[in-house]
Amino acid sequence: GQQVQQSPASLVLQEGENAELQCNFSSTATRLQWFYQRPGGSLVSLLSNPSGTKHTGRLTSTTVTKERRGSLHISSSQITDSGTYLCAMSNNNAPRFGAGTKLSVKP
Amino acid sequence: ETAVFQTPNYHVTQVGNEVSFNCKQTLGHDTMYWYKQDSKKLLKIMFSYNNKQLIVNETVPRRFSPQSSDKAHLNLRIKSVEPEDSAVYLCASSPDWGSQNTLYFGAGTRLSVL
Repeated sequence: GQQVQQSPASLVLQEGENAELQCNFSSTATRLQWFYQRPGGSLVSLLSNPSGTKHTGRLTSTTVTKERRGSLHISSSQITDSGTYLCAMSNNNAPRFGAGTKLSVKP
Repeated sequence: ETAVFQTPNYHVTQVGNEVSFNCKQTLGHDTMYWYKQDSKKLLKIMFSYNNKQLIVNETVPRRFSPQSSDKAHLNLRIKSVEPEDSAVYLCASSPDWGSQNTLYFGAGTRLSVL
């Protein structure tokens, strides 16, 4: 079945540093979505794009569909960015999730 | 602003009991989902409904059964819970079924089976 792999599994940054999160998937995707989850919290949709690059605030999502990969760039990280970032891919079916990248931003 | 509502927030029960979780969305979406998130934060799709019709039924034990009275509601019943059912159950909705399905999640129901 479809598999979604995220890397790194965890990442520790100093406040102000940039983060690059990777998502690779095993089959053709028609959409890649990024979600954020605070410990004990719900999932919040960050960005969703089938291909190309999309920006919102300090976040940039890039999806290269034919290479079956995507990335999420977080610029100038803040302590409040700490949490788990999940990517989900779909191909005309229910979205499948990766295991997430746990981000910790230190002061 | 919350638009996918799940109840209860938490539920503690014993092995063999029956539990039911409720989910309602006020977004006017056609499609709803149930995901299970384990202790390692991995989300797995369980069921998906489109306009009250079951369209995805992953390999889950038979003790799990979804119920949809209308497209705004999707409940989940577990007939006889097992210890491995302890997890967070997340309900989500999306505008429609297909490639444009941006998901909106509820806050989840945390189940603990003793």
